[in-house]
Amino acid sequence: DIVMTQSPSTLSASVGDTVTITCRASQSIAGWLAWYQQKPGKAPKLLIFKASSLEGGVSSRFSGSQSGTEFTLTISSLQPDDFATYYCQQYHTYWTFGQGTRVEI
Amino acid sequence: EVQLVESGGGLVQPGGSLRLSCAASGFNFGIYSMDWVRQTPGKGLEWLAYITSSSGTIYYAESVEGRFTISRDNTKNLLYLQMTSLRDDDTAVYYCARDRTTLIDFWGQGTLVTVSS
Repeated sequence: DIVMTQSPSTLSASVGDTVTITCRASQSIAGWLAWYQQKPGKAPKLLIFKASSLEGGVSSRFSGSQSGTEFTLTISSLQPDDFATYYCQQYHTYWTFGQGTRVEI
Repeated sequence: EVQLVESGGGLVQPGGSLRLSCAASGFNFGIYSMDWVRQTPGKGLEWLAYITSSSGTIYYAESVEGRFTISRDNTKNLLYLQMTSLRDDDTAVYYCARDRTTLIDFWGQGTLVTVSS
């Protein structure tokens, strides 16, 4: 199985900050990586696919990048609505998720 | 508006069975592959099963292979997950999700399954 290792598990930030979340795949997944945002009691919402493609309707403050098997999600100018948990997911071979990063104030 | 609404969750005893349903609307259900994913506080998000639009290809996670069965009825826009031999560690929120050429792009709100005696 492809293991996705996400860090940090918790991230404290303030409104206006730029934050970065990292996800490392245990083997090559090419660019088959997605990022999701989840708020308490809600379903995950797709933000980024194919490592760096922004899903329609998602703010351009969200961006994704890739370097080999390491992927990053960057949120610029953090807004109150961005405080949530973020998950990476590979869809190269079946589907596996990172453990999540909670972005809190 | 795309909607996926799960139902059928509840309390079930270990060893019991349960069938989850997912009603799709707002999109052409019959041309999309679909998935089931579950979430627990301890294990996070876990993909369970995948089915193509025609039901011609089905995949399962090792943890549920042989116990869970995914199926669909394109005439009724319904996705199902039949769960048998349920164990305590199957307790989770179960989500159905739409699959856009292997990318999960939309999720339902989930239904809670609790396995307990």
